[in-house]
Amino acid sequence: NAGVTQTPKFRVLKTGQSMTLLCAQDMNHEYMYWYRQDPGMGLRLIHYSVGEGTTAKGEVPDGYNVSRLKKQNFLLGLESAAPSQTSVYFCASKQTGTRGAEQYFGPGTRLTVT
Amino acid sequence: AQKITQTQPGMFVQEKEAVTLDCTYDTSDPSYGLFWYKQPSSGEMIFLIYQGSYDQQNATEGRYSLNFQKARKSANLVISASQLGDSAMYFCAMREGQGFQKLVFGTGTRLLVSP
Repeated sequence: NAGVTQTPKFRVLKTGQSMTLLCAQDMNHEYMYWYRQDPGMGLRLIHYSVGEGTTAKGEVPDGYNVSRLKKQNFLLGLESAAPSQTSVYFCASKQTGTRGAEQYFGPGTRLTVT
Repeated sequence: AQKITQTQPGMFVQEKEAVTLDCTYDTSDPSYGLFWYKQPSSGEMIFLIYQGSYDQQNATEGRYSLNFQKARKSANLVISASQLGDSAMYFCAMREGQGFQKLVFGTGTRLLVSP
């Protein structure tokens, strides 16, 4: 099983460029999440989705957009990258119906904005 | 206000000894859950253990146990018989309520296990 995969693994952008990070999961999970991880700050939720066609803002949504056109995919977009968006980005997914069910994480994408 | 607090930036332990990683939380919701994740140097997030607020007993998963003290709002992770492979960052996280379950993470504790 692939679980949660993220594309790309690494990316370097110049300020003002745009890009899309792709997250895919093969576990038929309803819930999907995008986090960013910065040194000393743990993981912070950017956007999330509770099902196909639905998205909502998390703790740090500014500068990002998301789409969930298919249940298995969750896309994170940066329209105009800024150095403050240099971070490691994690996607996660979770099944519904079980309060204790953990979130499954992808391997992460390391993004550097110069 | 910080919802999850991990006060130990770094911890050291010798192989085969037990170690406790601290986590305190803040919530007014009677229904919540606490998670611990491990992040080795390779970067992936690995789920370790879960404790629900209504669970009567402390959770255990192999060498991992969660020392849940509800009145103190603490959910410390205990690793018994540490191994070199336990060297990693450890994150405590909380979900509140019974909705779709957002997680709030602490800042993590780096554990180093020495031979």
